[in-house]
Amino acid sequence: GAGVSQSPSNKVTEKGKDVELRCDPISGHTALYWYRQSLGQGLEFLIYFQGNSAPDKSGLPSDRFSAERTGGSVSTLTIQRTQQEDSAVYLCASSPLAGVTDTQYFGPGTRLTVL
Amino acid sequence: SQQGEEDPQALSIQEGENATMNCSYKTSINNLQWYRQNSGRGLVHLILIRSNEREKHSGRLRVTLDTSKKSSSLLITASRAADTASYFCATDAGGGSQGNLIFGKGTKLSVKP
Repeated sequence: GAGVSQSPSNKVTEKGKDVELRCDPISGHTALYWYRQSLGQGLEFLIYFQGNSAPDKSGLPSDRFSAERTGGSVSTLTIQRTQQEDSAVYLCASSPLAGVTDTQYFGPGTRLTVL
Repeated sequence: SQQGEEDPQALSIQEGENATMNCSYKTSINNLQWYRQNSGRGLVHLILIRSNEREKHSGRLRVTLDTSKKSSSLLITASRAADTASYFCATDAGGGSQGNLIFGKGTKLSVKP
């Protein structure tokens, strides 16, 4: 079956521009997560959606970052006024259950480069 | 904040040898997972071990968990060149945590043919 998909796979933008990154989770998965991975580093949690509940935004690094999940499915991560330190691979994951830490299924990521 | 710390940061072995990677974490957990990442892109789930388990096997993978030492190890037996990748341990935050995983920085494994 279809896995988690993300688009675009690569995005190059100029400092100060806004970008939108998209995630299509596995159909039926309740939970959706966004992580960020800087070069050579582990994954940094950004935000977590659980069904129709309010998202856990505790990992967002600044108010320039926001995310939404429409209809409990597709999610968009928006970065406003991008900075060079935003350059990273942005990974989305989904899992079947909410509120339970279980296997997460990752998309291929979006590599963001801010010039 | 970072929960897991993998050790070593990098490991280079010959094909056929075993590879052992270790992970230490800081707080109590419900489970610990190992993921593999090729070329800095999507992660693939390898194995999950729950806090009441001490050892788990999956094919050539063997994972141990010592909750008293807050550590885990991943053993890959009879390694192959295709095992070359970065390996991450990930934990939940324990208790009633909401589900996001906390990752270490990973071990970069290189298996030479």
